[in-house]
Amino acid sequence: GESVGLHLPTLSVQEGDNSIINCAYSNSASDYFIWYKQESGKGPQFIIDIRSNMDKRQGQRVTVLLNKTVKHLSLQIAATQPGDSAVYFCAENGGRSGYSTLTFGKGTMLLVSP
Amino acid sequence: DAGVIQSPRHEVTEMGQEVTLRCKPISGHNSLFWYRQTMMRGLELLIYFNNNVPIDDSGMPEDRFSAKMPNASFSTLKIQPSEPRDSAVYFCASRLGLAGGTDTQYFGPGTRLTVL
Repeated sequence: GESVGLHLPTLSVQEGDNSIINCAYSNSASDYFIWYKQESGKGPQFIIDIRSNMDKRQGQRVTVLLNKTVKHLSLQIAATQPGDSAVYFCAENGGRSGYSTLTFGKGTMLLVSP
Repeated sequence: DAGVIQSPRHEVTEMGQEVTLRCKPISGHNSLFWYRQTMMRGLELLIYFNNNVPIDDSGMPEDRFSAKMPNASFSTLKIQPSEPRDSAVYFCASRLGLAGGTDTQYFGPGTRLTVL
């Protein structure tokens, strides 16, 4: 079946650097995508979302880019801080917005060194 | 606002015992999801409810697992009898669930289950 996958299981960066976490999706019907952050011992926390009618959305220090042509999603974190260290998951809705379930990727661990 | 509330946060039990995990979704949300997370399999959807009705339980691993949602503010996930391979972190999530709305799910802190 179709699934969401991540290219890099672990990403190590220095504090202050910009981080880019990538995600490939295969379900062309998906029209809504979410990035979650999961810190050790906690549940996944919503970071930012994007609909398929957009190719870029910005939040506080985070930007999500969507390339529907190649079915690719990325999360950019500006000026990465030690508190950003966590596992990041992308998720897609498979279409049927409002009634669908989410398919989660395996996750990428971001390690930020001071 | 209170987020999704789960209890207990940690549960240690012996093989063969019954385990009940509890969840209180965000008030006003009408969809509720139960997930299991392990290192090997990642985040797996077990079952989800819309308006207290189970919609898809295809992720429930076997008959030992059951879930109920007697009202809009409470759900349980029960494992009977429990086995060591059930050891995992179990998350509950809720969603507003309106047609045309976002699909964002909000997760609780999870219950870490250890079956000895």
